[in-house]
Amino acid sequence: EIVMTQSPATLSVSPGERATLSCRASQSVRSNLAWYQQKPGQAPRLLIYGASTRATGIPARFSGSGSGTEFTLTISSLQSEDFAVYYCQQYNNWYTFGQGTKLEIK
Amino acid sequence: QVQLQESGPGLVKPSETLSLTCTVSGGSISSYYWSWIRQPPGKGLEWIGYIYNSGSTNYNPSLKSRVSISVDTTKNQFSLKLSSVIAADTAVYYCARSLSPVAGYDYWGQGTLVTVSS
Repeated sequence: EIVMTQSPATLSVSPGERATLSCRASQSVRSNLAWYQQKPGQAPRLLIYGASTRATGIPARFSGSGSGTEFTLTISSLQSEDFAVYYCQQYNNWYTFGQGTKLEIK
Repeated sequence: QVQLQESGPGLVKPSETLSLTCTVSGGSISSYYWSWIRQPPGKGLEWIGYIYNSGSTNYNPSLKSRVSISVDTTKNQFSLKLSSVIAADTAVYYCARSLSPVAGYDYWGQGTLVTVSS
C-alpha cells in the first residue's frame, strides 16, 4: 500500500497570506495525485487532479505542483472560506489518502 | 448538475451486514466509476471500492473479504454491502464519482453516518 504523508498536520496562516501544504508518497505515484478540501460536516471537494490541474470552478489562487513522490498545494492569498482540512490522494496504485492538513486562521 | 445521495440504516449491530444505497440524479450512471469511501469520526478517508456501469468491481484489499458493491442502472443507483461489521466500521460513508479508475472524485454525496453498536 502506498502511504501518503502530509505536512504539517496544522498550519496557521493569516488571511491574505500564502499557504503551502506538502504531501509525500512512500513510492512514486507519477502525477496521479488529487487534492481535496473538506469543511466541517461536508463532503470533500475536488480541487486539483493530475497533480496540477484545477477542477472545474476552482479559483486560480489554488495551484498544485510536483510529481513522483513530492507534491505541493499552494493557496496564493487566503480567503476566509479557505480555512478547512486538505487531503491529498494518490490513484496510481489503488487509492490512498493522506491524513490531512488543517489550515487554520492565525 | 449531478447529485449523489446516500441512504440506509444509521445503526447496525456488530456481526451484521451494513447496507447502503447511493442514488444518482442529474446524470446517467453509465460510463463512470462509482466509489464508496468512508471516514471514521475525526479521522481520515479510506477508499472501500468501486463499480463500473458494466458491473466490474474493484475493492480495497483490506476489506475485500467483507465488501460487495452492485449497480442497478434502471434505477440509477449503486449499493454497498459490508458484512460482519465491528465497531471500527463506524464512519461517515460517502458515495462518489470518478471519470476513470485513474482520476479524482469530482462529485460526492453528502455522506451518511453509520454507527456499529448493539
